[in-house]
Amino acid sequence: NAGVTQTPKFRVLKTGQSMTLLCAQDMNHEYMYWYRQDPGMGLRLIHYSVGEGTTAKGEVPDGYNVSRLKKQNFLLGLESAAPSQTSVYFCASTNGEFDTGELFFGEGSRLTVL
Amino acid sequence: DAKTTQPNSMESNEEEPVHLPCNHSTISGTDYIHWYRQLPSQGPEYVIHGLTSNVNNRMASLAIAEDRKSSTLILHRATLRDAAVYYCILRAFRLIQGAQKLVFGQGTRLTINP
Repeated sequence: NAGVTQTPKFRVLKTGQSMTLLCAQDMNHEYMYWYRQDPGMGLRLIHYSVGEGTTAKGEVPDGYNVSRLKKQNFLLGLESAAPSQTSVYFCASTNGEFDTGELFFGEGSRLTVL
Repeated sequence: DAKTTQPNSMESNEEEPVHLPCNHSTISGTDYIHWYRQLPSQGPEYVIHGLTSNVNNRMASLAIAEDRKSSTLILHRATLRDAAVYYCILRAFRLIQGAQKLVFGQGTRLTINP
């Protein structure tokens, strides 16, 4: 099993460009999340999804859009990238059961906006 | 959402026990206490979780206060590989859509001295 896979792992954008980060999980998980992590800081929740076709805002949703058209994929879009969106982005997934623990994370996608 | 409070940093020596505290005074009865750690340049990884009783696994032990307002992650014999940022988060069960919004705090940066 691959677990949680993020694509791409690295990307450099110019201000105003758009891009999409793809998160794919092969564990049949219901819940998926996108976090961003800035240097020296913890993870901040951008958007999340509780199932196919659903999305919800997290702590820092502005400037991002998401879609969950298929259960295994969660896409994070930047329509017009800004330097403030330079960060490392982590995707995570988990099953819908609150008592079974583990949240699985991807390896991260490092985005630089010039 | 209930919040957690952790010290920003802690330091310990190799092969000694480490006790990482977490305060969660507003925890509700259905909130599970989860611990994750993030090694340098990696995504977070699951460590342990619990509800009321103390828990042990191959990585660590979790001691939960009787009133559940605090918990302690215990690494019994720290190794250099345990140097990481440790996050204490609450995973809540709610009977509404969007229940599984997992919010990470700043975490505790653990340094292990050889």
